[in-house]
Amino acid sequence: AQSVTQPDIHITVSEGASLELRCNYSYGATPYLFWYVQSPGQGLQLLLKYFSGDTLVQGIKGFEAEFKRSQSSFNLRKPSVHWSDAAEYFCAGFNDYKLSFGAGTTVTVRA
Amino acid sequence: NAGVTQTPKFRVLKTGQSMTLLCAQDMNHEYMYWYRQDPGMGLRLIHYSVGEGTTAKGEVPDGYNVSRLKKQNFLLGLESAAPSQTSVYFCASSYSYQTEETQYFGPGTRLLVL
Repeated sequence: AQSVTQPDIHITVSEGASLELRCNYSYGATPYLFWYVQSPGQGLQLLLKYFSGDTLVQGIKGFEAEFKRSQSSFNLRKPSVHWSDAAEYFCAGFNDYKLSFGAGTTVTVRA
Repeated sequence: NAGVTQTPKFRVLKTGQSMTLLCAQDMNHEYMYWYRQDPGMGLRLIHYSVGEGTTAKGEVPDGYNVSRLKKQNFLLGLESAAPSQTSVYFCASSYSYQTEETQYFGPGTRLLVL
């Protein structure tokens, strides 16, 4: 089945340190990929999306993601994490009118 | 422009009771979706609609029904609630079937079935 997987359930990072969240996909053709963020008790907010073209995608809140076809990955990165980045992050792939979500990665930011 | 709204925000049901969750969007979107979110499982699609008067099953449709009588509203019904339906329910909408379109999410409805 076509899907996305997030290998890391939970990541803890120090404020000011860099962050990388992993996402792997299994789609036959070029996938349409998204990263969403969910703050506690809130809905999902789109961080960025990839459809085609430049493999490095810039998003909101200082996030970026790189599409690597050779590794079937779409990892999310941020150079310097702020305490407000503590949240749950979801990678999603789009196929046949529907989004399929990964299980999510919870990010904890320590002072 | 309120975006996607959901009613109610929180509800407690007893096993066997019924209820309807309402999703409304004011963006004139064609597509609407209902998801459930459970710990460690991400969001799973329950049902979706590609236009007024049409609905289709998603990944986990059993125990739920939906209706899209008006373009701006998408209703999710539980005819006989079960504890396994305790979850957070999210509605989303998007403009068209073209894959470039982003789904916009509501704030969620927390449902507890006792």
